Amino acid sequence: DAGVTQSPTHLIKTRGQQVTLRCSPKSGHDTVSWYQQALGQGPQFIFQYYEEEERQRGNFPDRFSGHQFPNYSSELNVNALLLGDSALYLCASRWGGNYGYTFGSGTRLTVV
Amino acid sequence: AQSVTQLDSQVPVFEEAPVELRCNYSSSVSVYLFWYVQYPNQGLQLLLKYLSGSTLVESINGFEAEFNKSQTSFHLRKPSVHISDTAEYFCAVSDRWDMRFGAGTRLTVKP
Repeated sequence: DAGVTQSPTHLIKTRGQQVTLRCSPKSGHDTVSWYQQALGQGPQFIFQYYEEEERQRGNFPDRFSGHQFPNYSSELNVNALLLGDSALYLCASRWGGNYGYTFGSGTRLTVV
Repeated sequence: AQSVTQLDSQVPVFEEAPVELRCNYSSSVSVYLFWYVQYPNQGLQLLLKYLSGSTLVESINGFEAEFNKSQTSFHLRKPSVHISDTAEYFCAVSDRWDMRFGAGTRLTVKP
């Protein structure tokens, strides 16, 4: 049984560009959350999707947006990239009634 | 709002020694508590969790954590560490909607 799958694994973008990261949740999971983990720091909550709607949002600007599809997969979009957006982006999924998340291996985004 | 404070950013310890990684949380509602481990260049792996019931929870690789409501703590312990336990450890608190993490504790086990 595949766990949480994220693509791509690594990405290099130029400041000002836009990026889309993708996530397939673990089979049976219907809730997806995204986290940003800067080097040497803990994961910071970006937002959570459930039933194709954004249910909760952390302290991130509107440049960060997302989407959840009917098959529960999700995308994270970041517009107008800044150097400070360089980080490991983690996708995590869970079944609605279970509070423990399963994490993917992340997408390493480097903005130059 | 809920938050987590991990009291030690780095914990060096010798192999086979005991270790405690400290975690305090704050929340206005009932909480669920977790410890995750992260090895270099990898995602987070669930180590153990407290949802309800017994306040002492254990993992399959010898770690344990105790939920202390009065002290709002969820410290992680292991009686004897191995070189392979070297990693970053994150404490997390969750409610119905989201999970918030501490800044992490870097555990380094030395031979």
